[in-house]
Amino acid sequence: EPEVTQTPSHQVTQMGQEVILRCVPISNHLYFYWYRQILGQKVEFLVSFYNNEISEKSEIFDDQFSVERPDGSNFTLKIRSTKLEDSAMYFCASAGRATAGYGYTFGSGTRLTVV
Amino acid sequence: RKEVEQDPGPFNVPEGATVAFNCTYSNSASQSFFWYRQDCRKEPKLLMSVYSSGNEDGRFTAQLNRASQYISLLIRDSKLSDSATYLCVVLYSSASKIIFGSGTRLSIRP
Repeated sequence: EPEVTQTPSHQVTQMGQEVILRCVPISNHLYFYWYRQILGQKVEFLVSFYNNEISEKSEIFDDQFSVERPDGSNFTLKIRSTKLEDSAMYFCASAGRATAGYGYTFGSGTRLTVV
Repeated sequence: RKEVEQDPGPFNVPEGATVAFNCTYSNSASQSFFWYRQDCRKEPKLLMSVYSSGNEDGRFTAQLNRASQYISLLIRDSKLSDSATYLCVVLYSSASKIIFGSGTRLSIRP
């Protein structure tokens, strides 16, 4: 079964540092997403990406965050100047169609710990 | 009002019991509905889609009431392996994203 792959599985970083979370979506998917889940809280939408540009972003996704699909394979989330409250599980997801929720596949996540 | 609202639980039931979860959503423009399952510290995984006519997948039955903006999930003959958090998920027609409820924790005891 096709998978969404995320690396690293766990990243520890010092406050103020920049981190890049990496994702390899399913190869024939066209829509890409980042979600995050703070420990003990709900899964929150960050950003959706289609046709090499952001389709939609939440109020969480401010200037500290950026996404990129640099090589047609990887889909990255960059967090600049990390804060303690950025500590969370970050999930990448991809879908073949934007309006088919059943087609969303999530990666196993990157646990980001900011110290 | 939250976009997607669920009873957080926890529900603690014996193996073999029937358990039901409810979910309400606030946006009447919502297009599609799903139940996802999330195990501790794992990614959400699709359990089943929810259709207006109701649908069943083995021991799991999902129902949608658009008039009341209400979704339900029924689990019959619960197994120890059903212990997880169940997430109510809504897709809005105007947006290319899915919205998660906070989840309902289920614990099945032997």
